[in-house]
Amino acid sequence: DTGVSQDPRHKITKRGQNVTFRCDPISEHNRLYWYRQTLGQGPEFLTYFQNEAQLEKSRLLSDRFSAERPKGSFSTLEIQRTEQGDSAMYLCASSRLDRPEAFFGQGTRLTVV
Amino acid sequence: KQEVTQIPAALSVPEGENLVLNCSFTDSAIYNLQWFRQDPGKGLTSLLLIQSSQREQTSGRLNASLDKSSGRSTLYIAASQPGDSATYLCAGFSSGSARQLTFGSGTQLTVLP
Repeated sequence: DTGVSQDPRHKITKRGQNVTFRCDPISEHNRLYWYRQTLGQGPEFLTYFQNEAQLEKSRLLSDRFSAERPKGSFSTLEIQRTEQGDSAMYLCASSRLDRPEAFFGQGTRLTVV
Repeated sequence: KQEVTQIPAALSVPEGENLVLNCSFTDSAIYNLQWFRQDPGKGLTSLLLIQSSQREQTSGRLNASLDKSSGRSTLYIAASQPGDSATYLCAGFSSGSARQLTFGSGTQLTVLP
């Protein structure tokens, strides 16, 4: 059990560029979540996968955001035409179907300049 | 919509003191409440999970309880140490969505040596 892995850890991009983040969950975990966290706040839910199916999306997930989990293993989160308001920590978590304890990765810190 | 509140937002205590962190939620149908620890600039570390049928969980110096009727959870830390300094977050799944955790804003704990 190597834990949830996220890549990159930090990303600085210019406004208007596209960025993609990767999450590798714990190997036997069917559930995968993406959250966004801004300074001084708790994480906010973005989207949820069960295996390869994206079953829930937050209203926070505008049409510039897209997430995939093509083979039910790793997941990617893409942000198109980034805006300064997208600057945040993007967190990935995973859990088993039979036990809802969520395990988080170290996050990707996005800064849009 | 589930809302989670954590009071106080910040707490400073001398080393060795026992302390209680509070978490309240608006939807009494909450199930599976989880406490996390977050160090600055890092991801979340799971501390304790209280599942729907449980009322408390213990791990080492930590004890978490859940009272659904009052909409409250507490995290008790015994014999605090400087290494316990971090932000502590509570989060719960509500009956409306079994697929997303709703987080409080956290309590920033400082344990003074």
